[in-house]
Amino acid sequence: GNSVTQMEGPVTLSEEAFLTINCTYTATGYPSLFWYVQYPGEGLQLLLKATKADDKGSNKGFEATYRKETTSFHLEKGSVQVSDSAVYFCALRGSRGGSEKLVFGKGTKLTVNP
Amino acid sequence: NAGVTQTPKFRVLKTGQSMTLLCAQDMNHEYMYWYRQDPGMGLRLIHYSVGEGTTAKGEVPDGYNVSRLKKQNFLLGLESAAPSQTSVYFCASSYTGQRQETQYFGPGTRLLVL
Repeated sequence: GNSVTQMEGPVTLSEEAFLTINCTYTATGYPSLFWYVQYPGEGLQLLLKATKADDKGSNKGFEATYRKETTSFHLEKGSVQVSDSAVYFCALRGSRGGSEKLVFGKGTKLTVNP
Repeated sequence: NAGVTQTPKFRVLKTGQSMTLLCAQDMNHEYMYWYRQDPGMGLRLIHYSVGEGTTAKGEVPDGYNVSRLKKQNFLLGLESAAPSQTSVYFCASSYTGQRQETQYFGPGTRLLVL
């Protein structure tokens, strides 16, 4: 079945540091890939997505590239801010049977200190 | 446009009690979902619905029932609550089940079962 593995947290960085959160996936066919963010006390909201190989999703300074050859969708940001402190979830939506469902990674908690 | 709303925000139950969580969306979405979020587990799909009057089981359906009598509402029921159902519950919705579609999440319901 489809699955997502993302790097274990928590991750603690200083403001303006470079961020990478690793995400790899297992899926048949051509899934769509997503990063969702959950700020403290809130629900999840879409951060970015990519729907085919080599696509780059970007939003709010975050980027992730859909790499089919390495089955990866790593999240990066060049300079994090305190306001980026949140839990980040990698997710996929399959292309064959069950595409109506999202499969989530376990989440990575990011804390950015001033 | 309120998006996805959930009622209640927080509830404490005793073991064996029943309750219903309400999810409402005003985006005319066909698909609706119930997830639970537990520490270190990410989000896991409980049940979902692909349209009014239809429901289907997700990854962890045991102990829960759902109903979708109106397109805009998706109810999650616990007939006899157990401590293992202590969790944060999120509702989500999307237009269709196509793989590129974004799911929109509600703010969550925190449930404590004593």
